[in-house]
Amino acid sequence: QQPVQSPQAVILREGEDAVINCSSSKALYSVHWYRQKHGEAPVFLMILLKGGEQKGHEKISASFNEKKQQSSLYLTASQLSYSGTYFCGTVHRGNQGGKLIFGQGTELSVKP
Amino acid sequence: GAGVSQTPSNKVTEKGKYVELRCDPISGHTALYWYRQSLGQGPEFLIYFQGTGAADDSGLPNDRFFAVRPEGSVSTLKIQRTERGDSAVYLCASSLWATTNTGELFFGEGSRLTVL
Repeated sequence: QQPVQSPQAVILREGEDAVINCSSSKALYSVHWYRQKHGEAPVFLMILLKGGEQKGHEKISASFNEKKQQSSLYLTASQLSYSGTYFCGTVHRGNQGGKLIFGQGTELSVKP
Repeated sequence: GAGVSQTPSNKVTEKGKYVELRCDPISGHTALYWYRQSLGQGPEFLIYFQGTGAADDSGLPNDRFFAVRPEGSVSTLKIQRTERGDSAVYLCASSLWATTNTGELFFGEGSRLTVL
């Protein structure tokens, strides 16, 4: 049931772009993205509720392909502050009561 | 306080002991979640409450784990007969309503449990 994220880790230079993917084996109701810095609590980035929905948060945006049961997080012109571990969380169709399951995470390192 | 508060921040115990971890959610938040996170892993769902009732406890690993939220605010996660494999950071999060509405979970800093 746990969504699968790829890649597991990525290293960028400041200003470069990255894409983090999240896929589920089950039909999805919603996809949620969080970022966690080392030793800190996860922080909410965005939620996507509808297939085809795209959202943006500064230079971080995401899309949700409901049919493919996938979501992607796009980081453009990365900044040092983007470093951290990114988690996607999924709520499955038929389980809209609120059980949010997280993937294993993608560790992003942005170097100067 | 303004955020989710968890106590203790660190707990070291011996195998076989009983442990309680407390979570004080943001005032007015009706939904409360417990997750467990091991090093290098994503948060693992344990249980969530909507109000006083456990809406979904399917993530509790076994009957040694139990959680309560008697008045719909503070919650306590209780672990009996602790085992070394229980060592992890236990995260609590709250939201206005369950995930499908506002979507945003506010996490506490976690309680790091070490079982020797």
